[in-house]
Amino acid sequence: EPEVTQTPSHQVTQMGQEVILRCVPISNHLYFYWYRQILGQKVEFLVSFYNNEISEKSEIFDDQFSVERPDGSNFTLKIRSTKLEDSAMYFCASRNPGYEQYFGPGTRLTVT
Amino acid sequence: AQSVTQPDIHITVSEGASLELRCNYSYGATPYLFWYVQSPGQGLQLLLKYFSGDTLVQGIKGFEAEFKRSQSSFNLRKPSVHWSDAAEYFCAVGFSGGSNYKLTFGKGTLLTVNP
Repeated sequence: EPEVTQTPSHQVTQMGQEVILRCVPISNHLYFYWYRQILGQKVEFLVSFYNNEISEKSEIFDDQFSVERPDGSNFTLKIRSTKLEDSAMYFCASRNPGYEQYFGPGTRLTVT
Repeated sequence: AQSVTQPDIHITVSEGASLELRCNYSYGATPYLFWYVQSPGQGLQLLLKYFSGDTLVQGIKGFEAEFKRSQSSFNLRKPSVHWSDAAEYFCAVGFSGGSNYKLTFGKGTLLTVNP
């Protein structure tokens, strides 16, 4: 069964450093998402992406964040200058019209 | 603004007992409704979903949920809980913005199963 994959599973970085989280959505899906879950809290929407552009973003998704689909398979989330409060589990999801979102296993980001 | 409420932070049941996890949402129209389960350190697995039609939906692992429009609820049920059901359960609601929808999650209910 096709699945969403994410790499790395765990990323440790120092405050102020740039990180790129990678996702490979399910191959024929058209809509792509990033969510995050701070430890012990609920899952929060960050951004949705369709037709090579951002379709919606939350207040969390400020200028430090960017997303890209550099080729036909990868979907990346970049945090330009990480802060301690960016420490969280980041989930990628994808879907097709009329269907549910399929989530990847997540990348745990730890900012020290 | 749309919101999702899971009023029970933590529920403990005995193995073999029935289970109901509550979920209420606030939105002007009928949203898309989902239940996801998350085991410790794992991702989110979809248990079941409601888009339209029959308001009682069946999911994986013997779970079902009922959409009640009058109560803005989508409660998750299982007639007999197994020890492997211990996990955190998230209700999520998709509010359609045209052809796209983002998910708004509840805070989750942690399920503990006693032997």
